[in-house]
Amino acid sequence: EVQLVESGGGLVQPGGSLRLSCAASRFTFSSYEMNWVRQAPGKGLEWVAYISSSGFTIAYADSVKGRFTISRDNGENSLSLQMNSLRAEDTAIYYCARGEYTSAGRGYFDLWGRGTLVTVSS
Amino acid sequence: DIQMTQSPSSLSASVGDRVTITCRASRSIATYLNWYQQKPGRAPQLLIYSASTLQSGVPSRFSGSGSETDYTLTISTLQPDDFATYYCQQSYSSPRTFGQGTMVEIK
Repeated sequence: EVQLVESGGGLVQPGGSLRLSCAASRFTFSSYEMNWVRQAPGKGLEWVAYISSSGFTIAYADSVKGRFTISRDNGENSLSLQMNSLRAEDTAIYYCARGEYTSAGRGYFDLWGRGTLVTVSS
Repeated sequence: DIQMTQSPSSLSASVGDRVTITCRASRSIATYLNWYQQKPGRAPQLLIYSASTLQSGVPSRFSGSGSETDYTLTISTLQPDDFATYYCQQSYSSPRTFGQGTMVEIK
C-alpha cells in the first residue's frame, strides 16, 4: 500500500528539541516534493515546511523559520523534521504530505500520513 | 501571504441536502485551489484540485468551481459519510495557506 508513516512525536519541555520522521513506502519517494503540515488541538491546518524532490530547495513558514529544519534521505525513503527551541504554540499533530502537480503546474497534497502528536509543556 | 477565508465556519445539514461551502482568497489565485476533507481523528484527504478536478476515487456528488478570488465546494446530495471538516488551500504562492475550515454537522 502506498503510504506515509510519521514517528518521533512525544512530550517535550519548552526550549527542548525533537526530531520527527516520515517513512514512505510503495512509491518512488525521490520523485516527489514533500511537506510538513501541522494542526494544533481543535484548530485548522498550517503548512510548516517544504522540500523539493532533490532536497536542494527548502521553504519554511515564518512561525518556524530558524528553529525547524526539514531534510530527506532518498536512499532511505524518509523525510525528517528537526525541531529546536520548541514553544507551547508548537503543540500539534504533525503530518507529512506528498506534493503532486498537474501538467499546468498546479500543486496539491495527494497523500498524507496519519500524523504524530508533539506536546510542548513543562 | 495570501489569506484564505471560508464561509460558513460551520453548518448543520440533513442527509440528502445540497451543501455549498465558499472560499475567498485575499488576491487572485487563478484556480490554484484545492479542497480537503478531514474526519475526526483522521488525516486530511484530497477531494478536489485545480479548483474543479475531482481526485481519483472521490464520489461525483462532490464538485468544485470558481475563479480569481472566489471558489465553491458543492456536495450535491449529502451522505452520512460526508459529515466532516472541509478545508480549502491555495497553491498559487508560498506559503500554501489553508482556510480555517468548515465543519459540516448533522442536523
